[in-house]
Amino acid sequence: GAGVSQSPSNKVTEKGKDVELRCDPISGHTALYWYRQSLGQGLEFLIYFQGNSAPDKSGLPSDRFSAERTGGSVSTLTIQRTQQEDSAVYLCASSLGWSGESYEQYFGPGTRLTVT
Amino acid sequence: KQEVTQIPAALSVPEGENLVLNCSFTDSAIYNLQWFRQDPGKGLTSLLLIQSSQREQTSGRLNASLDKSSGRSTLYIAASQPGDSATYLCAVRNYGQNFVFGPGTRLSVLP
Repeated sequence: GAGVSQSPSNKVTEKGKDVELRCDPISGHTALYWYRQSLGQGLEFLIYFQGNSAPDKSGLPSDRFSAERTGGSVSTLTIQRTQQEDSAVYLCASSLGWSGESYEQYFGPGTRLTVT
Repeated sequence: KQEVTQIPAALSVPEGENLVLNCSFTDSAIYNLQWFRQDPGKGLTSLLLIQSSQREQTSGRLNASLDKSSGRSTLYIAASQPGDSATYLCAVRNYGQNFVFGPGTRLSVLP
């Protein structure tokens, strides 16, 4: 079946503009995760969803970042008033559920965001 | 707070060699551990997942082992090929927590 998809694959935006990043998880996966990977850095957890609710938003870097998920499927990550330090690859992953030892995470190809 | 380290940070080997990548974690009460590979400019590809009750998992030329008591996992790659060149990441999950990723090992297999 289809894997995790993300759009756009690349986004160049001017400082101060808002951007929306989209993630379409594997069908039937109830858990969805957002990560950020800055150049030469490891993966930084941002937020996860179980269904449509986000129990853990502790990783969001600032109040300029928000995310939502509707219908237990597609999720959007919104960054308002973008700053140059927001430039990174934003990765989305999904898994069958959140609380299961056998639940693997499957990643999308990522969205490369460049703020000029 | 869980911390994950990976040694070495980078590794270059000639084709055909067997090699071992290491992953260490500070909190041994883990739920599971997952190994990934990441090709340049791409997302992560899942390689193996080891549940807390398991000692190892195998897939083709890959074998991952887990020793919770010592806080270590190793990824063994047999008969390495140039196509194995990538960054290898381990991710550890504790009960009630999200995955914590290591910084990765960048592997180059030379033809």
